[in-house]
Amino acid sequence: ILNVEQSPQSLHVQEGDSTNFTCSFPSSNFYALHWYRWETAKSPEALFVMTLNGDEKKKGRISATLNTKEGYSYLYIKGSQPEDSATYLCVSGGYQKVTFGTGTKLQVIP
Amino acid sequence: TAGITQAPTSQILAAGRSMTLRCTQDMRHNAMYWYRQDLGLGLRLIHYSNTAGTTGKGEVPDGYSVSRANTDDFPLTLASAVPSQTSVYFCASSDTPGTPRGYTFGSGTRLTVV
Repeated sequence: ILNVEQSPQSLHVQEGDSTNFTCSFPSSNFYALHWYRWETAKSPEALFVMTLNGDEKKKGRISATLNTKEGYSYLYIKGSQPEDSATYLCVSGGYQKVTFGTGTKLQVIP
Repeated sequence: TAGITQAPTSQILAAGRSMTLRCTQDMRHNAMYWYRQDLGLGLRLIHYSNTAGTTGKGEVPDGYSVSRANTDDFPLTLASAVPSQTSVYFCASSDTPGTPRGYTFGSGTRLTVV
């Protein structure tokens, strides 16, 4: 993996469903992994920053895990709500080597 | 509310004209960044500044210039706009370059070059 890749690009889920998506990043010279929540017409809002292999972070119904050895992070949303509809952006790196993924666009259908 | 202020929020600009996008932060962050966001390409770094008085080129610097005369302000200038510079521009800051504590983003400037 040379770039930060997120999958899927977009998904639609029913309200109440749980969902997860993936961020893959270069595992060499890992520095930090950030997740942002980005609503349309607003600026990205920081969700989590993780630096250690095995890190797990949780914020309400949203949680994330990190595997720096294999270069991936999962974001989970439990019991999705319409207000969770947004683009979830993964960012890897630090100092002058920050790389943004293209995001996963989540639409939660009431 | 502490954060980043970008101005204008949107602008339509004739090709060949110049324009400066303004960015001001009140958090005393050392590092500031300009990104452009294009559909399918995510956020790409244009220029950055690790501290007042220094600037550096990012991934897509051509056609843009920046200055960092003080800690708070980081204006982005398009000397002679071209249609390919139509994009949404985000200014961001962090307390130190690449801090694990993350970045704060402005609300963006939507620029259309016609």
